Amino acid sequence: AQSVTQPDIHITVSEGASLELRCNYSYGATPYLFWYVQSPGQGLQLLLKYFSGDTLVQGIKGFEAEFKRSQSSFNLRKPSVHWSDAAEYFCAVGALGAGNMLTFGGGTRLMVKP
Amino acid sequence: DAMVIQNPRYQVTQFGKPVTLSCSQTLNHNVMYWYQQKSSQAPKLLFHYYDKDFNNEADTPDNFQSRRPNTSFCFLDIRSPGLGDAAMYLCATSSGPSGSVNTQYFGPGTRLTVL
Repeated sequence: AQSVTQPDIHITVSEGASLELRCNYSYGATPYLFWYVQSPGQGLQLLLKYFSGDTLVQGIKGFEAEFKRSQSSFNLRKPSVHWSDAAEYFCAVGALGAGNMLTFGGGTRLMVKP
Repeated sequence: DAMVIQNPRYQVTQFGKPVTLSCSQTLNHNVMYWYQQKSSQAPKLLFHYYDKDFNNEADTPDNFQSRRPNTSFCFLDIRSPGLGDAAMYLCATSSGPSGSVNTQYFGPGTRLTVL
């Protein structure tokens, strides 16, 4: 069975600073990877996804993520954080044969200092 | 715009009083999901419909039921809500064949309070 670990529960960065949120997965075959963002009291919004191909994936709101098979990682990055990026971020993995289900990581709460 | 809609956004019920949460979608997706999300936790899948086929997660309590009368609508029924059922309930949809991995699109959620 697949699993996802987001090692950082909370991260605080200053506005304008760069950001990297970590995601490590466990799965025996090629994973299907997602990053979602959740603002307080809202649903989850898809930021980006990796299914195959180029390992550097561009998403919405200036986010990107890089799939590194050797490190079983799919870290999310943004070069310059805006105050509106403060939210909860979830990494998720899907697997063929697991039905249509996603396995979510525990989430990382991002706070942005002015 | 195509979207996933959840009503109501906020629901207050009393301990033991049945409650129904609603989800509709204009995406024409064949798969619909219900998740429970408690504070500061990841969403937890309760069940999903692949077309009309109902798939229950093994650890979903019997207190939770679901109906999908047509492609567009899906309902979550909580027969006797307990204090522990207070949570955000998220509906999601996806499109694709069974067994494939498809992107899930989420609604805004319904915040359930149990008094």
